[in-house]
Amino acid sequence: DSGVTQTPKHLITATGQRVTLRCSPRSGDLSVYWYQQSLDQGLQFLIQYYNGEERAKGNILERFSAQQFPDLHSELNLSSLELGDSALYFCASGLEGFSGNTIYFGEGSWLTVV
Amino acid sequence: GESVGLHLPTLSVQEGDNSIINCAYSNSASDYFIWYKQESGKGPQFIIDIRSNMDKRQGQRVTVLLNKTVKHLSLQIAATQPGDSAVYFCAENSNDYKLSFGAGTTVTVRA
Repeated sequence: DSGVTQTPKHLITATGQRVTLRCSPRSGDLSVYWYQQSLDQGLQFLIQYYNGEERAKGNILERFSAQQFPDLHSELNLSSLELGDSALYFCASGLEGFSGNTIYFGEGSWLTVV
Repeated sequence: GESVGLHLPTLSVQEGDNSIINCAYSNSASDYFIWYKQESGKGPQFIIDIRSNMDKRQGQRVTVLLNKTVKHLSLQIAATQPGDSAVYFCAENSNDYKLSFGAGTTVTVRA
């Protein structure tokens, strides 16, 4: 158990809908990272937050957004869902927000868009 | 451009033998590297890390080697066990606050 908690574990939704994925980081960690994993793309970095502020952005679509709240939990919002958004979404957390930061992953949220 | 990649997508190893998983990276500014293990249906699990001021680091049954000259990273697993069957990812961290992952190597342990 990495200490990173993600909910829901599985969800199925229709195209065009919106979903919210939630992540609670390990106790004491200030950074939260979101990654997308699909069969043909591997682990793709989406976005990182550090202590409530956006720190780095990767290949995140405009239909996706995220935030980190004062209690340090984070949410990833996916809207206007398409079939291609079906993937495993991981949250990871780390103690600090700079280079050389070991990050620990949650068990992921399986999203299926039908 | 920046990329992290693994030399072989699959590796089959006999139980009890040693495994070597290789990884090449292209960003010379990368100063921190991590190996993760991902079992089916689970999140990546931290195995071992190494900083660029080192060329070798050992853990329990695992050793990571870093060759900065040729930008190569390897993970050695001693006495491979069935529980070592998984996908292994190398990841690099440069100064842009994120970890970039390679495509992964699937390790299958034969009984």
